[in-house]
Amino acid sequence: EAGVTQSPTHLIKTRGQQVTLRCSPISGHTSVYWYQQALGLGLQFLLWYDEGEERNRGNFPPRFSGRQFPNYSSELNVNALELEDSALYLCASSGGPLNTEAFFGQGTRLTVV
Amino acid sequence: RKEVEQDPGPFNVPEGATVAFNCTYSNSASQSFFWYRQDCRKEPKLLMSVYSSGNEDGRFTAQLNRASQYISLLIRDSKLSDSATYLCVVITGSARQLTFGSGTQLTVLP
Repeated sequence: EAGVTQSPTHLIKTRGQQVTLRCSPISGHTSVYWYQQALGLGLQFLLWYDEGEERNRGNFPPRFSGRQFPNYSSELNVNALELEDSALYLCASSGGPLNTEAFFGQGTRLTVV
Repeated sequence: RKEVEQDPGPFNVPEGATVAFNCTYSNSASQSFFWYRQDCRKEPKLLMSVYSSGNEDGRFTAQLNRASQYISLLIRDSKLSDSATYLCVVITGSARQLTFGSGTQLTVLP
């Protein structure tokens, strides 16, 4: 069974640009979580989608947004990139019939220069 | 108060030592609990679930104390390969939202 897949794996952008990160959950999972992890720091919760709706949002500015599609895949959009947005962006999925633990993708490493 | 709080760490222990991490949660209605392990610059991976009666997996023991609202992870006979960040995860509510702790860094020294 395929795990959580994220694309791209690495990305370099310049300040002010916009970026879209993608996540495909494990088949049958309906929830997708997005986290930001700056180098050496803990996971910072960004967004939670379930059944196509945004269920909760972390303490991030509105230029961080996203959506979940009918097939439960998800996008994270970041507008007006700033240097401090450089981080590993992790997506996790959970849910399905047993609705248990979350599984992470390998992440997208974003560098803003 | 944060929903999920962990020992601040870092923990530096010698090989063979026993080390324990605690994690407290604020919502008494929380239903499920897990420990994850994150290696440097990698994604977190599930280490073990935490069951009400406590559970063991080799050198790792997880416990849940609902009355005091905390979970714990005990690692016996620490190995160098146990060096990682350990995150506790709590699932809460009918929608089953996941909440991660900030993690505790463990370094096992030779």
